[in-house]
Amino acid sequence: NFMLTQPHSVSESPGKTVTISCTRSSGSIASNYVQWYQQRPGSAPTTVIYEDNQRPSGVPDRFSASIDSSSNSASLTISGLKTEDEADYYCQSYDTNNRHVVFGGGTKLTVL
Amino acid sequence: QLQLQESGSGLVKPSQTLSLTCAVSGGSITSSGSSWSWIRQPSGKGLEWIGYIYYSGNTNYNSSLKSRVTISIDRSKNQFSLRLRSATATDTAVYFCARGDYSNYPRPYYYMDVWGKGTTVTVSS
Repeated sequence: NFMLTQPHSVSESPGKTVTISCTRSSGSIASNYVQWYQQRPGSAPTTVIYEDNQRPSGVPDRFSASIDSSSNSASLTISGLKTEDEADYYCQSYDTNNRHVVFGGGTKLTVL
Repeated sequence: QLQLQESGSGLVKPSQTLSLTCAVSGGSITSSGSSWSWIRQPSGKGLEWIGYIYYSGNTNYNSSLKSRVTISIDRSKNQFSLRLRSATATDTAVYFCARGDYSNYPRPYYYMDVWGKGTTVTVSS
């Protein structure tokens, strides 16, 4: 079993770029695809990144993501920040051993 | 397009069974390769995966809830359900249903691509 660890919160100004990390506790980050969800207050999560770095249709290209085997982590980068990007962001992966879905604890992004 | 809608009792007494249903529209719940999940979120906290069921009826549950959870499919009504026995206050949360997309190739994954809006369940006497 592994865990995904995210920073509790990040903040940045409109127009800037922010990166949110997601570190896998054991096993290789590259073993299983990583997804990223955005959740605005009072709403259900929506997918902003799937399969490590793929954007669903409708998600602006300001959202990008990658994985880094050296740090065993995934990262979500949002450029040209807008106030509408203010939300909670969750990384998620899959544990092949027990076939469980694993969520990170979530990161609250404040755009101020 | 595919839509999911949760329904069920919003108030459950401690020790009773929490029961929720997710109605699927815009697609068949038994289409080959389909999978259906339940996720919950206590107020102010993060997402917790509860479990999923494949179109075949095979299931997989979060180890921490496995002894109390059952997820089932009703093909005639195109819906799937969650039952959580012996509910306590710690089960109070917003419950989401979602469709799962999964594959083992080229690298194993499972993720939720379509979500319901969520329904609030409170466990209290």
